[in-house]
Amino acid sequence: LAKTTQPISMDSYEGQEVNITCSHNNIATNDYITWYQQFPSQGPRFIIQGYKTKVTNEVASLFIPADRKSSTLSLPRVSLSDTAVYYCLVGDPLTTSGTYKYIFGTGTRLKVLA
Amino acid sequence: DVKVTQSSRYLVKRTGEKVFLECVQDMDHENMFWYRQDPGLGLRLIYFSYDVKMKEKGDIPEGYSVSREKKERFSLILESASTNQTSMYLCASSSLAGGSPLDEQYFGPGTRLTVT
Repeated sequence: LAKTTQPISMDSYEGQEVNITCSHNNIATNDYITWYQQFPSQGPRFIIQGYKTKVTNEVASLFIPADRKSSTLSLPRVSLSDTAVYYCLVGDPLTTSGTYKYIFGTGTRLKVLA
Repeated sequence: DVKVTQSSRYLVKRTGEKVFLECVQDMDHENMFWYRQDPGLGLRLIYFSYDVKMKEKGDIPEGYSVSREKKERFSLILESASTNQTSMYLCASSSLAGGSPLDEQYFGPGTRLTVT
C-alpha cells in the first residue's frame, strides 16, 4: 500500500525559492503525480502535475526522479500570498482487487514571511 | 471560470439523522468527487462518479452513499449520521471523460459538518 510523507510545515522569506518534497513508495507506474494548494476556508486548487522528469508552468515546477519514489514541488520567488497548505496526490494500484486507491499527502503548511 | 458550489458552508446535525450534502458544478464536467478532510489525515476520497447514475467507491465509503441523477449535481448522503462523521466535506469535479481523481479537479469551498 502506498504511503506519502510530506514535511508538516516550512517557513520561508519573500523572494526565496521553496522546495516541498513528497515521498511516495509503491505508486502506480502509469499515473500522474499531482499537487494542490489550499488556502484557509477554501477547497484545494490544482497547481501542477507530472509523470516523470520535470514539468514547469507559470506557477511552479515539479521534479520527479526516474524511480518516482518522490516528487518535489518548487515555487520560485515566493510571496506572502503563497502562504497555504500544499498537498501531493498519487495513485496506488491495489493489485488484489485491480482497483486504485488515491492518496492525498497530509499536507505541508508553508508560511512566507516578509 | 469553473464553479463548484456546495449547499451549505456549515451544518449541525444530531446523531442518527439523515444528512444530505449537495454539490453542483456549472461546467458540464463528466466526473464528480466527494472527499472528507480531517486534521492530520489530509483528504480522503469517499465516492466518485464518472457519469450520471454511475458511482465508484473511494477509500472510505462506509457509512455514506451518493446519488447522481443529473450531470451537474452530486449528492452525498449520510444515512444515519454519527459523531465520527464530523468533518469538512469537499466536493470536486473534473472534465476528462472516464477520468480518475489524478486529473485536474476543481473543488468547492467545503461544508463543515458537525454531528452532535
